[in-house]
Amino acid sequence: KNQVEQSPQSLIILEGKNCTLQCNYTVSPFSNLRWYKQDTGRGPVSLTIMTFSENTKSNGRYTATLDADTKQSSLHITASQLSDSASYICVVRPPNDYKLSFGAGTTVTVRA
Amino acid sequence: DSGVTQTPKHLITATGQRVTLRCSPRSGDLSVYWYQQSLDQGLQFLIQYYNGEERAKGNILERFSAQQFPDLHSELNLSSLELGDSALYFCASSVGNPGAYEQYFGPGTRLTVT
Repeated sequence: KNQVEQSPQSLIILEGKNCTLQCNYTVSPFSNLRWYKQDTGRGPVSLTIMTFSENTKSNGRYTATLDADTKQSSLHITASQLSDSASYICVVRPPNDYKLSFGAGTTVTVRA
Repeated sequence: DSGVTQTPKHLITATGQRVTLRCSPRSGDLSVYWYQQSLDQGLQFLIQYYNGEERAKGNILERFSAQQFPDLHSELNLSSLELGDSALYFCASSVGNPGAYEQYFGPGTRLTVT
């Protein structure tokens, strides 16, 4: 069973609207949790990194939140743009472990 | 542009063949990671090198091998290729050992096995 589960698998939103992506993880404890954006056919690009003690981290219109008690993280996209169409990947790193645990990603499609 | 370069961009080969993928990390980065991403699947960690030494192994098949050279570039060798090896292969680099350090991903090599 994957240690990082993301939902929904995909979603379609209209340009200008907001959306929230979910990430549930079982890795515990963990060192940090990251959200990546991956455009089709390209390498992932980091959006946010949070340690276990942080509750929220913003990067422009992207805001990530973390609830270490419930082992949940979310990524909120505000005022979506067509360029936000991509896959968003949640990644968790256990402490003292070189291997990151990747979620399968949520594919976001923004339509005009 | 992440600063990580990968060559070639695309590779088409036949089953049973062997290929080599190349990665040059960002200037100053000592760690290199290799990932496989099959169609509609998440990234799978394959292997990590730090300053020329293997540091971690993930779901890497025995038919696959990698190395990091003194100039810190890395190569991933895939042999006895099967149809299921068709995927995007990403290289990432970070300044030090993993975890606390941001990983920067290259553009990937798309491998098609026919």
